[in-house]
Amino acid sequence: NAGVTQTPKFRILKIGQSMTLQCTQDMNHNYMYWYRQDPGMGLKLIYYSVGAGITDKGEVPNGYNVSRSTTEDFPLRLELAAPSQTSVYFCASIWKDPLNTEAFFGQGTRLTVV
Amino acid sequence: AQSVTQPDIHITVSEGASLELRCNYSYGATPYLFWYVQSPGQGLQLLLKYFSGDTLVQGIKGFEAEFKRSQSSFNLRKPSVHWSDAAEYFCAVVASRLTGGGNKLTFGTGTQLKVEL
Repeated sequence: NAGVTQTPKFRILKIGQSMTLQCTQDMNHNYMYWYRQDPGMGLKLIYYSVGAGITDKGEVPNGYNVSRSTTEDFPLRLELAAPSQTSVYFCASIWKDPLNTEAFFGQGTRLTVV
Repeated sequence: AQSVTQPDIHITVSEGASLELRCNYSYGATPYLFWYVQSPGQGLQLLLKYFSGDTLVQGIKGFEAEFKRSQSSFNLRKPSVHWSDAAEYFCAVVASRLTGGGNKLTFGTGTQLKVEL
């Protein structure tokens, strides 16, 4: 049981490039979340999804896009990378109802935009 | 919208001393509260959670937290800190979809704990 898997673990992008951060979970969880973590700022919610085909914006969605075509996958897309998107990104998933269980986190993707 | 405040950015304690990390929340309905811990370069691990019932909850690694509705607080405590407890600690709240919160999991800004030997 792999849990939540994020790829890549590290990436350096040039300004204006695009990339997709992958997130896959094998626990059949309905809820999935993308966060960014910056020093002293905690985790900020970018986008989340309550099930396949359904996504919604979090606190800081600008510059990002997501899709949820399957229960397992929740990729995060950066279209035009900017230095402000330098951060550590975490994907998380929750089973059926976040009121009754914990969130499982991936190991993170450290992204640097130069 | 719900929010979580952790007023202490850094805390330093001596090994063996007691610990209390503060967390205040802002949410109109009954909150669902969590404490997570993050070691350097790692993801987040759940320490404990509160949904309802007994306001003093026990977690892993000897941690406990007390929910105080009157103070809108959910402080984390440990009677005797170990050097391995040095990490960053996050308080989090879920706003229920049933009360319009959308089931979003919102985190505080974290408290960095340093343990002196």
